Amino acid sequence: DAGVIQSPRHEVTEMGQEVTLRCKPISGHNSLFWYRQTMMRGLELLIYFNNNVPIDDSGMPEDRFSAKMPNASFSTLKIQPSEPRDSAVYFCASSRDGYNEQFFGPGTRLTVL
Amino acid sequence: DQQVKQNSPSLSVQEGRISILNCDYTNSMFDYFLWYKKYPAEGPTFLISISSIKDKNEDGRFTVFLNKSAKHLSLHIVPSQPGDSAVYFCVNGSSNTGKLIFGQGTTLQVKP
Repeated sequence: DAGVIQSPRHEVTEMGQEVTLRCKPISGHNSLFWYRQTMMRGLELLIYFNNNVPIDDSGMPEDRFSAKMPNASFSTLKIQPSEPRDSAVYFCASSRDGYNEQFFGPGTRLTVL
Repeated sequence: DQQVKQNSPSLSVQEGRISILNCDYTNSMFDYFLWYKKYPAEGPTFLISISSIKDKNEDGRFTVFLNKSAKHLSLHIVPSQPGDSAVYFCVNGSSNTGKLIFGQGTTLQVKP
């Protein structure tokens, strides 16, 4: 099993640009989570999906952030427009259901200049 | 307001000795607790968990203790090995919501 796959691994962009992060969960997992890790706030949950449906997006910082899960094998996290304070490592995780062990991807390190 | 607190940002231990990582939480609604380990440039990986109805769970060199009355969780690693050097996250979970709340992490260094 390839595990959770995230792309890109690193992204450097300029303020104001649109950024799209991608995630492929483990096959057979029906819950998907997006996290952000920063020095100040640690690892925080942004949004999670169950069976492709967003269940809780209370952690999404503001309207510039949006996430979609068009099918069971793909999800995107989009930031538009990006700002320097969005610089962080973004992790995607999946689980068989919402209450079991979550498996994390390697993360995408985003730098907004 | 941090719901899960790991007050020690770092810990250094000699190889072969015991490592004890501590965690305090504030929300009694959590009904299971986990520890995740993270190496640089990798995502966190699950290490061990405990249900709120238990006070101890052991898996090889790793033991997690839960004191519900004190809202305190600890992870014991014995004997510690250099490969255990990583960041350890204390995590609280709710079976009602499926959400995990992470602590800030403790960086463990095990010296040979």
